[in-house]
Amino acid sequence: EPEVTQTPSHQVTQMGQEVILRCVPISNHLYFYWYRQILGQKVEFLVSFYNNEISEKSEIFDDQFSVERPDGSNFTLKIRSTKLEDSAMYFCASKLAGGYEQFFGPGTRLTVL
Amino acid sequence: DAKTTQPNSMESNEEEPVHLPCNHSTISGTDYIHWYRQLPSQGPEYVIHGLTSNVNNRMASLAIAEDRKSSTLILHRATLRDAAVYYCILGTSGDKIIFGKGTRLHILP
Repeated sequence: EPEVTQTPSHQVTQMGQEVILRCVPISNHLYFYWYRQILGQKVEFLVSFYNNEISEKSEIFDDQFSVERPDGSNFTLKIRSTKLEDSAMYFCASKLAGGYEQFFGPGTRLTVL
Repeated sequence: DAKTTQPNSMESNEEEPVHLPCNHSTISGTDYIHWYRQLPSQGPEYVIHGLTSNVNNRMASLAIAEDRKSSTLILHRATLRDAAVYYCILGTSGDKIIFGKGTRLHILP
């Protein structure tokens, strides 16, 4: 069964460093999403992406964040200058056009020291 | 965003049915009712969705009240693997998912 994959599974970085989290959505999906979950808290929407552009973003997704689909298979989330409060699990999801179900990846745990 | 209300936690015995309630009195006519779950240390996972009629799939059943102000997710025979946080979410097909706190389901062996 096709699945969303994410790399790395765990990323440790120093505050102020740039990180790129990578996702490979399911191949025929057209809608892509990033969510995050701070330990012990709710899953929070960050951004949705369709047709090579951001379709919606939350207040969390400020100028430090960016997304890209560089090569038609990967979908990346970049955090330009990480803060301690960016420590969280980051989940990528994808969806078929016209579909209702979002398929989530296993997540990347980001630890900012 | 339309709001849902779920119990914080529920317990059930293994191999028994589980009924997880959700109230959504401010649901709009175009809102679908979606259920996702999150197993420990995993990403969220789709369970089921519906609009007006009851729905069944291989994982669960969704019973929707006639006035659509509440719904119930039914796991017909709970296993230990069904221990998770279950989220009831309103939205349309293109939407971001706004997760609440959900219901933490404990399964007793």
